[in-house]
Amino acid sequence: KNQVEQSPQSLIILEGKNCTLQCNYTVSPFSNLRWYKQDTGRGPVSLTIMTFSENTKSNGRYTATLDADTKQSSLHITASQLSDSASYICVVTDSWGKLQFGAGTQVVVTP
Amino acid sequence: NAGVMQNPRHLVRRRGQEARLRCSPMKGHSHVYWYRQLPEEGLKFMVYLQKENIIDESGMPKERFSAEFPKEGPSILRIQQVVRGDSAAYFCASSPEQGSVPDTQYFGPGTRLTVL
Repeated sequence: KNQVEQSPQSLIILEGKNCTLQCNYTVSPFSNLRWYKQDTGRGPVSLTIMTFSENTKSNGRYTATLDADTKQSSLHITASQLSDSASYICVVTDSWGKLQFGAGTQVVVTP
Repeated sequence: NAGVMQNPRHLVRRRGQEARLRCSPMKGHSHVYWYRQLPEEGLKFMVYLQKENIIDESGMPKERFSAEFPKEGPSILRIQQVVRGDSAAYFCASSPEQGSVPDTQYFGPGTRLTVL
């Protein structure tokens, strides 16, 4: 069973609207959680990273939250743009440095 | 400072042939990771290497797959006698060191392998 579960699997939103992606994990012991953006045909690019003590981190229009108690994270995209169309991957690192990847949420922003 | 380089970007092989995928890490990075991404699935860890050493190959299939990171030159992921199920995107990532918190892996653009 995957230790990092993401929802929804895919999402279509209108340009300018907001959306929230979810990530639940069971990875333990936990080191950090990172959200990556992967454009079609490209490698993943890191958006945010949070350690155990952090519960929110922003990068422009992207805001990630982390609840280490419930082992949940979210990525909120504000005022979406066409360039936000991509797969968003939640990645959890354990204390030994091993990365566990979620399957990603495919976001499509339409005009 | 160039990012992680992978070549070729696209590779087509017939069943039974060999595939060689190359990865040049970012300058100053001595740790290389290989991942496989099947269609509609997340990235799966394959192998972690340092120069001339395989540190963790727990994600590598037991047969036909091998990886190396020589003292000089790029890291190579080698797939012998490819089968259709090997068709996937193979991503390489590099980091300056393992164990630093937070660890940072920078990904290459990937090699898309298609087995006919």
